[in-house]
Amino acid sequence: DVKVTQSSRYLVKRTGEKVFLECVQDMDHENMFWYRQDPGLGLRLIYFSYDVKMKEKGDIPEGYSVSREKKERFSLILESASTNQTSMYLCASSTSGRGGELFFGEGSRLTVL
Amino acid sequence: EDQVTQSPEALRLQEGESSSLNCSYTVSGLRGLFWYRQDPGKGPEFLFTLYSAGEEKEKERLKATLTKKESFLHITAPKPEDSATYLCALSNDYKLSFGAGTTVTVRA
Repeated sequence: DVKVTQSSRYLVKRTGEKVFLECVQDMDHENMFWYRQDPGLGLRLIYFSYDVKMKEKGDIPEGYSVSREKKERFSLILESASTNQTSMYLCASSTSGRGGELFFGEGSRLTVL
Repeated sequence: EDQVTQSPEALRLQEGESSSLNCSYTVSGLRGLFWYRQDPGKGPEFLFTLYSAGEEKEKERLKATLTKKESFLHITAPKPEDSATYLCALSNDYKLSFGAGTTVTVRA
């Protein structure tokens, strides 16, 4: 079974702090994604990567950056956390090519005070 | 621009009471229509992919169908364990664009 593991299920941070969310997948997938999920808004894509060291902006990249130094690991970075970044963050991966199904992690619930 | 709209937002059913969820979409070229199930506090879990109008897929009490403008997720004789949020998504190149979801509650 595909396993996508997010390092932290729950985090509480203060405004202005730097936040790292880590994601690891064990199925040798080329594509990895970071979404955030908010009530009434559904899942919105922040960034994705289709290869090591490659990254593409999604629909809401402002205030975020990403890093993909190894194929299995995709990190989401909040350089200076703000209260409007309080959300559920979901990492996902998929096989190479376009149009494949996404496999999701359990999510990281971030609260910024 | 590709768009996905799900209705209703919430659905409350009695155990055994069949119903359908709707996913309306606009897309320039359909590469796939996906259905996911999400339990509270967890990541979405893949259910189905549909690629062309007329296609149908089934899994236990769930059946997904696809037309050129919408997809339906039919829940037949639901049980309380079918309570979840159901998400539909369009494939857009590498990524998926999601609807806001329908939260289904099935009462015993």
